[in-house]
Amino acid sequence: DIQMTQSPSTLSASLGDRVSITCRASESISIWLAWYQQLPGKGPKFLIHKASSLQSGVPSRFSGSGSGTEFTLTISSLQPGDFGTYYCQQYNTYPWTFGQGTKVEIK
Amino acid sequence: VQLQESGPGLVKPSETLSLTCGVSGYSINRDYCWDWIRQSPGKGLEWIGSYCQSGGTHYNPSLKSRVIISVDTSKNQFSLKLDSVTGADTAVYYCARGTHSGYFDYWGQGTLVTVSS
Repeated sequence: DIQMTQSPSTLSASLGDRVSITCRASESISIWLAWYQQLPGKGPKFLIHKASSLQSGVPSRFSGSGSGTEFTLTISSLQPGDFGTYYCQQYNTYPWTFGQGTKVEIK
Repeated sequence: VQLQESGPGLVKPSETLSLTCGVSGYSINRDYCWDWIRQSPGKGLEWIGSYCQSGGTHYNPSLKSRVIISVDTSKNQFSLKLDSVTGADTAVYYCARGTHSGYFDYWGQGTLVTVSS
C-alpha cells in the first residue's frame, strides 16, 4: 500500500495566519491527490483534487500544490471555520489511502 | 447530494456488521462509485471498498475476505456487510460518493459502530 505521511500532526495558528500542511507519499502518485477538511463530529468535506484543483464552492484562500511524492495544502488567511483536521488521500493506486491528519487549532 | 448511514451501533464479536447508506439528490444507478470508509483512533481513515456502476466492486485487500458492498437501486441505497468482526473493527463508518478517478466528493456524517459483547 502507498503510505501517506502528513506534517505537522498539529498546527497552532491565529486568525489571519497563512498556514501550510505537507503530505508525502511513499512512492510517486503523480498528481492524484485529494484534500479534505473534517470539523468535529462531521464527515470529511472535499476541498481539492488533482493536487491543485479547487472544488466548486471552496473558498479561494485554500490552495494545493505539488506532484510526485510531495504536496502542500495552504490556507492563505485562516478564518474561524477553518479550524479542524485536514487529510490528504492518494488515488493513484488501489487501495486508496489517507494521511493520518493535521489538526489546525487556535493559538 | 446527501448521504446518511444507518444500522446497529453495537455488534458482538464474531458477528456480522451491517450498515446501509441512503442517498438523496442523486440516483445511484446513473453513475459514480459508492464507497465505505471507516475511521478509528488507531488507524485513522481507512478505505473499505466501493461499488462502481461501470466497474463492479473493489475492496481493500486487508478486508477483502470479510466485506461485501451491494447496491439497491430501487431504494437508492447501498450497503456494507463485514463478517467476523472483532474489537479492531470498532470505528466510525462513513459512506461516500466516489468519483471514477478515486476521490470522494460527498460524505455522510458517519455512524459509530462498537464491537463488544
